[in-house]
Amino acid sequence: EAGVAQSPRYKIIEKRQSVAFWCNPISGHATLYWYQQILGQGPKLLIQFQNNGVVDDSQLPKDRFSAERLKGVDSTLKIQPAKLEDSAVYLCASSFSGAGANVLTFGAGSRLTVL
Amino acid sequence: SQQGEEDPQALSIQEGENATMNCSYKTSINNLQWYRQNSGRGLVHLILIRSNEREKHSGRLRVTLDTSKKSSSLLITASRAADTASYFCATKESGSARQLTFGSGTQLTVLP
Repeated sequence: EAGVAQSPRYKIIEKRQSVAFWCNPISGHATLYWYQQILGQGPKLLIQFQNNGVVDDSQLPKDRFSAERLKGVDSTLKIQPAKLEDSAVYLCASSFSGAGANVLTFGAGSRLTVL
Repeated sequence: SQQGEEDPQALSIQEGENATMNCSYKTSINNLQWYRQNSGRGLVHLILIRSNEREKHSGRLRVTLDTSKKSSSLLITASRAADTASYFCATKESGSARQLTFGSGTQLTVLP
């Protein structure tokens, strides 16, 4: 079974530039998540999709971050304009949907450095 | 916001010793999960314990859950150098659509 695919693995940009990250979840996983992990901290949920609808985006800085999952499969996370404090690893994860416990499968992450 | 707090933040042991990590959380939960993260990689699920369970085992892993104290512990027995990683607890809050909230992690180093 293929895992969660993310690209690019690394990105370096200047502040105020824009960047986009792509994620392809495990086939059949209806729920997709974007987490931000700052060095030395645990992952923080940015947005959670159920198919192509948003379940939770309460911690997404909507003035600069946007995410979409148009066909309920792939997803893109965009940052525009980037700030220094956006330097982090952006982790995509997916899981089956439905009631009960859900175990997340993570991608390897996209490491962003903002200079 | 972080739901869980792991303790200790860092732990260094010799190969063969046991490693114990603790997690405290703030709200009522449906379940608590532990994940491992090797340096530069994504997180990997280790074990899940439901709110009505008190202890669970998986190989060399043993997890306990005390909902009255809002705490959990992860025990890794007979540790190996390959266990070197960061370990995170994650909670599924009762009544919340949000799936998991992660703690701040424990960095475990197992010395050969």
